[in-house]
Amino acid sequence: SYVLTQPPSVSVAPGQTARMTCRGNKIESKSVHWYQQRPGQAPVLVVFDDGDRPSVIPDRFAGSNSGNTATLTISRVEVGDEADYYCEVWDATTDQVVFGGGTKLTVL
Amino acid sequence: QVQLVESGGGAVQPGKSLRLSCVVSGFDIGIYGMHWVRQAPGKGLEWVAVLWYDGRSKYYGESVKGRFTISRDESKNTSYLEMKNVRPEDTGVYYCARDQDGDYLDYWGQGTPVTVSS
Repeated sequence: SYVLTQPPSVSVAPGQTARMTCRGNKIESKSVHWYQQRPGQAPVLVVFDDGDRPSVIPDRFAGSNSGNTATLTISRVEVGDEADYYCEVWDATTDQVVFGGGTKLTVL
Repeated sequence: QVQLVESGGGAVQPGKSLRLSCVVSGFDIGIYGMHWVRQAPGKGLEWVAVLWYDGRSKYYGESVKGRFTISRDESKNTSYLEMKNVRPEDTGVYYCARDQDGDYLDYWGQGTPVTVSS
């Protein structure tokens, strides 16, 4: 089955740029989606199809996908961005959704 | 606006059954796929199942195959997750989510908690 690997944690100071990676075999051939989950809340879609954003998500959130790594980049990080972030793909080989293990973003 | 509201969670003994419901509003469930995703305490997201927009194609995560069944009632705009022979490792918060274009999960409910314990 397809595996997505995310670093457990990333720390950044307010106003700086946070980059969170999602590694998978030839992930560039898949559409990658990202979800934000604040403590005690349901997940929220922040990036879909590698780099598109829902209209309610600020343009500080951006995504990219190349080779074996997809990346979620948050510019001008705010305290309110502190959350767990999950990447996700559809594995057509097994007809299953696959989530990465999640990255906890800490805003120092 | 789009809303998804789960219910039916609670405490259940191992080996028993439970049915979760997800009532949606703001869209027609008959033309969208619906997913169920769960999250064990302190753990990450785990995909459980999907029922595609056609109402026939269903797919499941490996850990629930043969025990869980996803379905829908278009007249009630409701998605269901029938859980049979539950195990302690099925404990967690269960979310329903709408599928967009067979691609991503664009709206999520607030979740319903399930605890499997003797």
